[in-house]
Amino acid sequence: KNEVEQSPQNLTAQEGEFITINCSYSVGISALHWLQQHPGGGIVSLFMLSSGKKKHGRLIATINIQEKHSSLHITASHPRDSAVYICAVRFSGYGNKLVFGAGTILRVKS
Amino acid sequence: DVKVTQSSRYLVKRTGEKVFLECVQDMDHENMFWYRQDPGLGLRLIYFSYDVKMKEKGDIPEGYSVSREKKERFSLILESASTNQTSMYLCASSLVDYGYTFGSGTRLTVV
Repeated sequence: KNEVEQSPQNLTAQEGEFITINCSYSVGISALHWLQQHPGGGIVSLFMLSSGKKKHGRLIATINIQEKHSSLHITASHPRDSAVYICAVRFSGYGNKLVFGAGTILRVKS
Repeated sequence: DVKVTQSSRYLVKRTGEKVFLECVQDMDHENMFWYRQDPGLGLRLIYFSYDVKMKEKGDIPEGYSVSREKKERFSLILESASTNQTSMYLCASSLVDYGYTFGSGTRLTVV
């Protein structure tokens, strides 16, 4: 069964802290996406990766294909990073459809 | 930048009404998707389309239909709106093997 699990569900951090959000999936994939959704807002695609590591500003995404696990890291967190972060996976043989994790609600306090 | 535009940000409809949600993208993407997002359930795929006049059911198609007469436009239709269809509806488009672009969502309330 194609499943995506994210942890933690909720995360509160102090400004400046290093943050990690985790995503695990059940079977082989062709791509994994990290998405960001601000309250009341649409969804923004942060990263798409199928191997290794990608970095954009203070955001880093890594994936370990053998362990079926990905992490999203935020360095030097800031209150404007407060949002819902969603992991979404395109499973091999599942066409171009995504299966979504339930999301991680991040709140960064100043 | 690719833009995906959803016609309404907020919508209130009565039970039994026929509801049209429109989505337009401006970058010639083949694939378009309709999702609904509910607290605790995440995003669930309703329908998707990989070409004009082509459509496939997603995970929760019951009570919905779609139309894709032109490549840039993908419409979601609620034939007879019910209160359990109150939700946030998100449209997305993509090219194969590329990232997705999402619209800003339509929050539909059925009363």
